[in-house]
Amino acid sequence: GAVVSQHPSRVICKSGTSVKIECRSLDFQATTMFWYRQFPKQSLMLMATSNEGSKATYEQGVEKDKFLINHASLTLSTLTVTSAHPEDSSFYICSASMGAVGSGNTIYFGEGSWLTVV
Amino acid sequence: GENVEQHPSTLSVQEGDSAVIKCTYSDSASNYFPWYKQELGKRPQLIIDIRSNVGEKKDQRIAVTLNKTAKHFSLHITETQPEDSAVYFCAASSNTGNQFYFGTGTSLTVIP
Repeated sequence: GAVVSQHPSRVICKSGTSVKIECRSLDFQATTMFWYRQFPKQSLMLMATSNEGSKATYEQGVEKDKFLINHASLTLSTLTVTSAHPEDSSFYICSASMGAVGSGNTIYFGEGSWLTVV
Repeated sequence: GENVEQHPSTLSVQEGDSAVIKCTYSDSASNYFPWYKQELGKRPQLIIDIRSNVGEKKDQRIAVTLNKTAKHFSLHITETQPEDSAVYFCAASSNTGNQFYFGTGTSLTVIP
């Protein structure tokens, strides 16, 4: 099946700094990428949906100035957590789709990134 | 957006027994319903999915049923094995067909 790679898998950063997480579709063109946040033993919370070349659509309650999402190409989307704080520590995971899910396209998940802000 | 509810949150079964997890959704226009299995700290893995033009789908020990009128769908695992222990998530696509919303998850434990 299609492969989505996410990097880094684990990152530790100091409070107040920014950290970037990359999501790449390795063998297909991802017109749409999704970013989720997951707390331990909880569900995946959709943060934003990004379409290549367009501004990301953020879910209610997600600060777009804090969680910067860029989808500059059909194979790469990035999530930048700006001015990170300890409460931003979480498991972040991306997924990608070749097209609209409702049109029959499956989504594929990256491996996820553990962010720890100290 | 879509609201997906999932029950139960935890489920323990004896090895060999069946497990059933149920989800309801709010958007009647949703038309794609996948189920994912996730082990701690790993990516969710698609195990089965169903689209709105089908009422039931089966793949070996796993089956999914969909009731569009009642807006609920269920995952059925038969002859459970210890390796089935994981967290299972249901999901539904939005009415635009371009967003995914996940249920709250069910932690399944299969007792040997």
